[in-house]
Amino acid sequence: KQEVTQIPAALSVPEGENLVLNCSFTDSAIYNLQWFRQDPGKGLTSLLLIQSSQREQTSGRLNASLDKSSGRSTLYIAASQPGDSATYLCAVRLQAGTALIFGKGTTLSVSS
Amino acid sequence: GAVVSQHPSRVICKSGTSVKIECRSLDFQATTMFWYRQFPKQSLMLMATSNEGSKATYEQGVEKDKFLINHASLTLSTLTVTSAHPEDSSFYICSAGARRDNQPQHFGDGTRLSIL
Repeated sequence: KQEVTQIPAALSVPEGENLVLNCSFTDSAIYNLQWFRQDPGKGLTSLLLIQSSQREQTSGRLNASLDKSSGRSTLYIAASQPGDSATYLCAVRLQAGTALIFGKGTTLSVSS
Repeated sequence: GAVVSQHPSRVICKSGTSVKIECRSLDFQATTMFWYRQFPKQSLMLMATSNEGSKATYEQGVEKDKFLINHASLTLSTLTVTSAHPEDSSFYICSAGARRDNQPQHFGDGTRLSIL
């Protein structure tokens, strides 16, 4: 059974720091991996999608990497800002057309 | 703009009430929609897969008679929590299957259900 783990569960950093959020999954046979942001009491905003054949994706200050063979993905946030404070969720899809399997998330707090 | 619309965003009602939540795909036809449930500080857990024109597929441990899913059109799936009780209080969120499998999956804004 595929399990997704995110470390750390919570992270507090001062504004301007670069940071890395970690995601690991037990079964390397994934179809793709997606990173989301969730604000308190809100839905999910898709940040980056990495296909199983890709190594990384970038969007602005965000960079996500994927090492499928080791079952790991990282989300790198450059020059963090208070507006980045949220919970970041990692999710994997095992096959085309199937649902996502989520980790518990990392709650990030960026102080000004 | 939003590609998946979920309504209502919040419901507070008495125990025993049935509550219907709607999930609409706004700009593409979704033959498949997914319903998730999220408890505080927990991950999103898949409840069921909603298939247009056919019965939903429920995950183990999810009561199909308790959580009725209807996917009558390619743009609308509904989740009805029947005879809701306080333990059904949770955050329910839907997503629509992507236009193509190599595209991101998008989610609604979720529904906070509180049963008194």
